[in-house]
Amino acid sequence: DTGVSQDPRHKITKRGQNVTFRCDPISEHNRLYWYRQTLGQGPEFLTYFQNEAQLEKSRLLSDRFSAERPKGSFSTLEIQRTEQGDSAMYLCASSLQIQETQYFGPGTRLLVL
Amino acid sequence: AQKVTQAQTEISVVEKEDVTLDCVYETRDTTYYLFWYKQPPSGELVFLIRRNSFDEQNEISGRYSWNFQKSTSSFNFTITASQVVDSAVYFCALSERPWGAQKLVFGQGTRLTINP
Repeated sequence: DTGVSQDPRHKITKRGQNVTFRCDPISEHNRLYWYRQTLGQGPEFLTYFQNEAQLEKSRLLSDRFSAERPKGSFSTLEIQRTEQGDSAMYLCASSLQIQETQYFGPGTRLLVL
Repeated sequence: AQKVTQAQTEISVVEKEDVTLDCVYETRDTTYYLFWYKQPPSGELVFLIRRNSFDEQNEISGRYSWNFQKSTSSFNFTITASQVVDSAVYFCALSERPWGAQKLVFGQGTRLTINP
C-alpha cells in the first residue's frame, strides 16, 4: 500500500508567479487535507475535501489560493501571484472517513524569491 | 477555540536516557481525538498514536509510552532508553469536531536531539 505522495518536493519561484502542487492520497481514502507549515511552527489547516467536495476552507486560504479534487482522487493546490510570505512547506494528508487518522505526505517546500 | 501547547521547544539528552515530551490541550468538545506525530529531517509527518477522549488508559508501544490525563488536559509522550534515531521534531495534535471535518490543531512542536 503506497502512502500519500506529493509533487514537486521542492519549488523555487519568483514573486508574482503562479505555482501548482499535486497530492495523491492513499487509494480509497475519501478525505483529503491541505496544511501549511512555516519554519519552527506546527502545521496549520488550509482546506479539506470529502471525495470531490471542498467542505471547509481556513481563513488562511486567501483569494490567491485555490484547491481542487476533480474526480475525488488526486488534488491540486494553486497559488496565484505568489508572495514571499507564501514560502512554507505545504503538506497533504488523507484519511478514511471512519478511521479519523490522517496520514501525511512528504510535503512540497516552496520558496518565493 | 481548541489549542495545543507544547511548552518544551527543544530537548537534548544523551542516548539511553528517558525523555518525556509534554502536551497540554484546550477544548470545549466532550468528544475529541489526540495525536502524536514525528517529523524527521526529511519533513514527512509520521503518525505515532491516536487516542480518543473516552479512553484514558495509558499505552505502551515498545520504547514509546503515552500518558493521557483528562483531569489536567495533558497527553504526554515518553521515550524510554532513547536512541539517536529518535531525534526529530514531535508534534501533539487535537482534532476538532471528530464526527465532522476532523481538521487537526497542532502544537508548535518539540525538537528532540539525542546525542550519542
